[in-house]
Amino acid sequence: GAVVSQHPSRVICKSGTSVKIECRSLDFQATTMFWYRQFPKKSLMLMATSNEGSKATYEQGVEKDKFLINHASLTLSTLTVTSAHPEDSSFYICSAAGQTDQPQHFGDGTRLSIL
Amino acid sequence: EDKVVQSPLSLVVHEGDTVTLNCSYEVTNFRSLLWYKQEKKAPTFLFMLTSSGIEKKSGRLSSILDKKELFSILNITATQTGDSAVYLCAVDTGGFKTIFGAGTRLFVKA
Repeated sequence: GAVVSQHPSRVICKSGTSVKIECRSLDFQATTMFWYRQFPKKSLMLMATSNEGSKATYEQGVEKDKFLINHASLTLSTLTVTSAHPEDSSFYICSAAGQTDQPQHFGDGTRLSIL
Repeated sequence: EDKVVQSPLSLVVHEGDTVTLNCSYEVTNFRSLLWYKQEKKAPTFLFMLTSSGIEKKSGRLSSILDKKELFSILNITATQTGDSAVYLCAVDTGGFKTIFGAGTRLFVKA
């Protein structure tokens, strides 16, 4: 149980492109989904927390107009990196949690490379 | 400021060795401590600890929490090359806010 699917796993695109990443909880309803960014050999950096049907809460320093998050249903959240630039290249990971006393379960991550 | 500190940052051992990974934390509000294993992709869940002194075990892995000392350890016995990974410690501070440590990078030599 507690499977989180993230798609795509790898994106390579030109600077200026917008990229959408999907995160789905396959066998449970995710009250809350999280988006993280991870730089090489560094730990997870929380970007934003999203609750179904409401606006995402962004961490300090994360541009909400740059990283658009939509949590349309209890099983799907999307992160759109708008007008991506090389400095946006990173490993993006989503996670989902069903209830507050349950651990987060992570998707497999998306490796984004902006040329 | 809430923080989670892991040590050592990296570790190289031989197959069959036993290793202990450390995690200390300072948070305003504590709900649980979690351990994750991260290989090439995203982290996979290992343990969630909420009470002091109760050891959780899964095969060769075990973990225990000391809420008085604000500390947890993750033990791996009879290590195998497949245990090579980054082990992340995280603290759930409530309201779905989870603070991650920097991780311990373990490399097990054959």
